[in-house]
Amino acid sequence: EPEVTQTPSHQVTQMGQEVILRCVPISNHLYFYWYRQILGQKVEFLVSFYNNEISEKSEIFDDQFSVERPDGSNFTLKIRSTKLEDSAMYFCASSQSPVREQYFGPGTRLTVT
Amino acid sequence: QKEVEQDPGPLSVPEGAIVSLNCTYSNSAFQYFMWYRQYSRKGPELLMYTYSSGNKEDGRFTAQVDKSSKYISLFIRDSQPSDSATYLCAPYNQGGKLIFGQGTELSVKP
Repeated sequence: EPEVTQTPSHQVTQMGQEVILRCVPISNHLYFYWYRQILGQKVEFLVSFYNNEISEKSEIFDDQFSVERPDGSNFTLKIRSTKLEDSAMYFCASSQSPVREQYFGPGTRLTVT
Repeated sequence: QKEVEQDPGPLSVPEGAIVSLNCTYSNSAFQYFMWYRQYSRKGPELLMYTYSSGNKEDGRFTAQVDKSSKYISLFIRDSQPSDSATYLCAPYNQGGKLIFGQGTELSVKP
């Protein structure tokens, strides 16, 4: 069964460093998303992406964040200068259309020290 | 008022019980509704997807949507210890941005 994969599973970085989180969406999906979940809190939408453009972004997704689809299979989230409050689980999701089911990856746990 | 509200629980039931998980939302523009199951420190796993009002059944799971009262439910029949997890409701509109509730923690005791 096709699934969304994410790497790394755990990333530890120092405050101020850049990190890139990687995702491989399901192959026939066209819509891609990033969500995050701070420990003990709800899952929050960060950004949606279609046709090499951001479709929608939340207030959390400020200038420190960027997304890219560098090739036909990967979808990345970059945080330019990490802050302590960026520590969270980051989930990638994909769907065939914005009104269809979204399938989530296992997540990357980002720890900023 | 929060966009999506769920009772955080924890909800503890004996094995074999019928479980009712509920969610309310405030935005009448929501047309699509998903339920996810999340085990600790794992990604949300899709359980049910429904559009508009009505019921949808899949095995032991039934999702129910009442758009007039902005109320959605997930019923689990013959609950099993493996159903112990946090259940997340996520309504959304045509943009695809899921709005998650806090989640209800369920524990099914053998």
